Amino acid sequence: EVQLVQSGAEVKKPGESLKISCKGSGYSFTSYWIGWVRQMPGKGLEWMGIIYPGDSDTRYSPSFQGQVTISADKSISTAYLQWSSLKASDTAMYYCARLGTSRDFDYWGQGTLVTVSS
Amino acid sequence: EIVLTQSPGTLSLSPGERATLSCRASQSVSSSYLAWYQQKPGQAPRLLIYGASSRATGIPDRFSGSGSGTDFTLTISRLEPEDFAVYYCQQSRAFGQGTKVEIK
Repeated sequence: EVQLVQSGAEVKKPGESLKISCKGSGYSFTSYWIGWVRQMPGKGLEWMGIIYPGDSDTRYSPSFQGQVTISADKSISTAYLQWSSLKASDTAMYYCARLGTSRDFDYWGQGTLVTVSS
Repeated sequence: EIVLTQSPGTLSLSPGERATLSCRASQSVSSSYLAWYQQKPGQAPRLLIYGASSRATGIPDRFSGSGSGTDFTLTISRLEPEDFAVYYCQQSRAFGQGTKVEIK
């Protein structure tokens, strides 16, 4: 069974750094792209970027380029999303998802809620 | 950059009725990469349709997708109580803004 399990909710202050994780199991982690999707409170889905854990090739949406860093450690089947300096506007639910062969996201993590508040 | 526009924003229907959701792209897109998702409150999105018309694993056949070029449609033939949710289309890096299907 394919599973993506994300790290737990975070509460941070503006300016702090953060790294959240997404652990894959039940499939060949290095053979599928993993993506990150943002959902701000009460809003829709936003495509942030994707990484291929096999070689760490990474693609970002222009809206998120330079704002976040996506990485992966294939030895532990885990992808990451990190911020160096959080802003209040980063408050959102963040989902990881596996990219299927038709560029859709066929399996999703449960989401990680990030709250940034002073 | 492709923009996907979904309509209507909200669809008010009764169980048993047919739902027709639209997704329009700002330029012609490959139907091979058009997907639809369902999201219920407090849950992650779930893939319903990929390649514009193929149902994902475990998706009931009351859900169907169609379209090509710039116009795509998700149809729910007979609404079940569990189908009331928000639906999103996606093409590559773009998501539509969503259509909420609510109980009338």
